[in-house]
Amino acid sequence: GDSVTQMEGPVTLSEEAFLTINCTYTATGYPSLFWYVQYPGEGLQLLLKATKADDKGSNKGFEATYRKETTSFHLEKGSVQVSDSAVYFCALMDSSYKLIFGSGTRLLVRP
Amino acid sequence: GAGVSQTPSNKVTEKGKYVELRCDPISGHTALYWYRQSLGQGPEFLIYFQGTGAADDSGLPNDRFFAVRPEGSVSTLKIQRTERGDSAVYLCASSPDGGRTDTQYFGPGTRLTVL
Repeated sequence: GDSVTQMEGPVTLSEEAFLTINCTYTATGYPSLFWYVQYPGEGLQLLLKATKADDKGSNKGFEATYRKETTSFHLEKGSVQVSDSAVYFCALMDSSYKLIFGSGTRLLVRP
Repeated sequence: GAGVSQTPSNKVTEKGKYVELRCDPISGHTALYWYRQSLGQGPEFLIYFQGTGAADDSGLPNDRFFAVRPEGSVSTLKIQRTERGDSAVYLCASSPDGGRTDTQYFGPGTRLTVL
């Protein structure tokens, strides 16, 4: 079945460092891809999405590009802030319109 | 506008009891989803409604779990004879029409603890 694999955390960075969180997927067809973020004490929020190959999703300085050839959707940010500390989930929407999530990557940004 | 709301926010029950968890989706959203999130894991799909009908219930773990959406808006997830392994955060999400490019908007979740 469809699945999502993302890098294990926690990822600890200093403020203004470059961030990459790897995400790869296995799916039949061409699913839509999503990054969701869960800030401490809050619910899941959509961060960005891409619905077809080579699309780039972006929001709040984060970017991810839908790479069909490598089945990847890596999340990047050029300069992280303390306020970016959260758990990040990569997900795909399968052919039945349900989301399949990775296990999450905790990011801790130190001042 | 108002987002997805879920009640209660926390529910503690004893093994063997019956519980109901409620979800109020965003007004006008026809698609509604239930997920379950265990500690340290990503959410796992339970059931998907399109309008009043369950379009996909393949994620329900067994027949102790049941969900309804009688008027195509509010949904209730019902768990009979609760077990300790049912302890998790139950998340509800809604989307405008359930299409493949739709964004699912999540509620804050109900934390269920079975003692």
